[in-house]
Amino acid sequence: EAGVAQSPRYKIIEKRQSVAFWCNPISGHATLYWYQQILGQGPKLLIQFQNNGVVDDSQLPKDRFSAERLKGVDSTLKIQPAKLEDSAVYLCASSPSGSTDTQYFGPGTRLTVL
Amino acid sequence: KNQVEQSPQSLIILEGKNCTLQCNYTVSPFSNLRWYKQDTGRGPVSLTIMTFSENTKSNGRYTATLDADTKQSSLHITASQLSDSASYICVVTNTGNQFYFGTGTSLTVIP
Repeated sequence: EAGVAQSPRYKIIEKRQSVAFWCNPISGHATLYWYQQILGQGPKLLIQFQNNGVVDDSQLPKDRFSAERLKGVDSTLKIQPAKLEDSAVYLCASSPSGSTDTQYFGPGTRLTVL
Repeated sequence: KNQVEQSPQSLIILEGKNCTLQCNYTVSPFSNLRWYKQDTGRGPVSLTIMTFSENTKSNGRYTATLDADTKQSSLHITASQLSDSASYICVVTNTGNQFYFGTGTSLTVIP
């Protein structure tokens, strides 16, 4: 069974530029999560989708971050414009149906904002 | 306030030795607690999950314990191997399906 795929694996941009990350969850998984993990810290949930609907985006900085999962399968996370403090690893995870299920994480995208 | 605190922040042990990682939480009402292992440059991988009624769960050389009364959990690693070097993250979920991540313990196993 293929795992959660993310791309790109690494991205370096200058502040005020835009960037987008892509995630393809495990086939059949209804729930998809985006996390931000700053070096030395645990992951912080940015947004949770159930199919193509948003379940929780309370910690998503909506002035600069946006995410979509239009067809209930893959998802994109965008930052526009990026700030220095956005430098982090962005993890995507999926689970079969809901928050009580084990989450399967992708390898992450390491973003460096200069 | 719902929090998950892990200790120690980092740990270095010799290969073959045992170690215990701690997780204290204030998340309420409690639903379940998971331990994840995160290798450098990779996403976390689930090791164990425990609900309120479970006080111990094993996965190979990993044994997790849960004391729901004191809101404490531990992860015990037996006969450590070099491949155990990773960050170990404790995640607590409440009955509203909100989950709270600890900051992790960084374990280094040296030969």
